[in-house]
Amino acid sequence: SQTIHQWPATLVQPVGSPLSLECTVEGTSNPNLYWYRQAAGRGLQLLFYSVGIGQISSEVPQNLSASRPQDRQFILSSKKLLLSDSGFYLCAWSLPWRLAGLQETQYFGPGTRLLVL
Amino acid sequence: AQKVTQAQTEISVVEKEDVTLDCVYETRDTTYYLFWYKQPPSGELVFLIRRNSFDEQNEISGRYSWNFQKSTSSFNFTITASQVVDSAVYFCALSEANNAGNMLTFGGGTRLMVKP
Repeated sequence: SQTIHQWPATLVQPVGSPLSLECTVEGTSNPNLYWYRQAAGRGLQLLFYSVGIGQISSEVPQNLSASRPQDRQFILSSKKLLLSDSGFYLCAWSLPWRLAGLQETQYFGPGTRLLVL
Repeated sequence: AQKVTQAQTEISVVEKEDVTLDCVYETRDTTYYLFWYKQPPSGELVFLIRRNSFDEQNEISGRYSWNFQKSTSSFNFTITASQVVDSAVYFCALSEANNAGNMLTFGGGTRLMVKP
């Protein structure tokens, strides 16, 4: 069966510091991978998604970036954190899009709570 | 463009009451997929159900049931005999077909509080 891991679970960082959040998936090959952010008491915002190694699509322009160095690894980074980067970051995976007209379910990881002070 | 609306931001019920969470969607596609996720206080989103637009049959899973009405673009979720463990934020989501990223459009979520 497939599992998805995220770390760290919680992170407190000062403004201006760098960030690296990691997400890994086990039990599947060539998954689609996603990064979402959820600000306190608000809905989910898709930040990035990837359909393959080195292929990253950004949904929202900001000071964050994503990379996919390996098939089942997805990393969210920042060179300098802002206060507004605080939130709950969720990674998700789905099977790749295989057939026209068919959509796959996204499955989410446990999330990382980031507090920027 | 697609849109999902969950008009109820918060619902509070007493244990054993039935509760219905509303979800209304907009899409121009004739083929699409609808989802419900549960987000308990721990934060992880738990997948509950996926429904294809060409299958309007309603579904029941234990105390959970889903009513898909294509004519009113709604996909409502009912919990029967609610329990305290049902307290969570529930998200409805839409994915249009031919979307190579399998991307989801989420509603704003409904916070359900079940009191003992």
